[in-house]
Amino acid sequence: LAKTTQPISMDSYEGQEVNITCSHNNIATNDYITWYQQFPSQGPRFIIQGYKTKVTNEVASLFIPADRKSSTLSLPRVSLSDTAVYYCLVGDGNTDKLIFGTGTRLQVFP
Amino acid sequence: EAQVTQNPRYLITVTGKKLTVTCSQNMNHEYMSWYRQDPGLGLRQIYYSMNVEVTDKGDVPEGYKVSRKEKRNFPLILESPSPNQTSLYFCASSNWMRGLNTEAFFGQGTRLTVV
Repeated sequence: LAKTTQPISMDSYEGQEVNITCSHNNIATNDYITWYQQFPSQGPRFIIQGYKTKVTNEVASLFIPADRKSSTLSLPRVSLSDTAVYYCLVGDGNTDKLIFGTGTRLQVFP
Repeated sequence: EAQVTQNPRYLITVTGKKLTVTCSQNMNHEYMSWYRQDPGLGLRQIYYSMNVEVTDKGDVPEGYKVSRKEKRNFPLILESPSPNQTSLYFCASSNWMRGLNTEAFFGQGTRLTVV
């Protein structure tokens, strides 16, 4: 079964770049890696998705090395409103289960 | 508007009293799943369904049942709730299948308390 691990928490200041890494040791060969943002008492919200190398959208970048055993979410110039919990999501290499990472609580300070 | 709707949002019940949490999506998604979220444990998958009449266990299925009689609905059933099922529950839907991981949409959550 895929095991995904993330740092429990990170602190940052407004305007800084934040990088959050997720390790996934048994990701499905053809599966994408997806990242979500979650605010208290709300459902997770899609941020970005990628398969390999680098993907960028209007809010984040996603870096995936060739072995795909990890991925790094990069948030440029964070603001106070980026304070949330961030999860990676991968498909298990042996089943049809979707496995969430352990979640990283990001606190942004003024 | 594309959405996943869960009901109820909040529920307090007593041990052993059967309950159902409903989930409905309007995006014609094949894949639906239920997660529970507990402090310090993140989101854990309870059950998932690849399509109508196809369901399978996630990581924490004990004490739960599901059904998928229609594509849009995926109710979560607790036949005999116990206090350790007190949690925040999320339903999600997507067109995910191996090799095609698309965005998952989540419901607003159901906060269940079993006393």
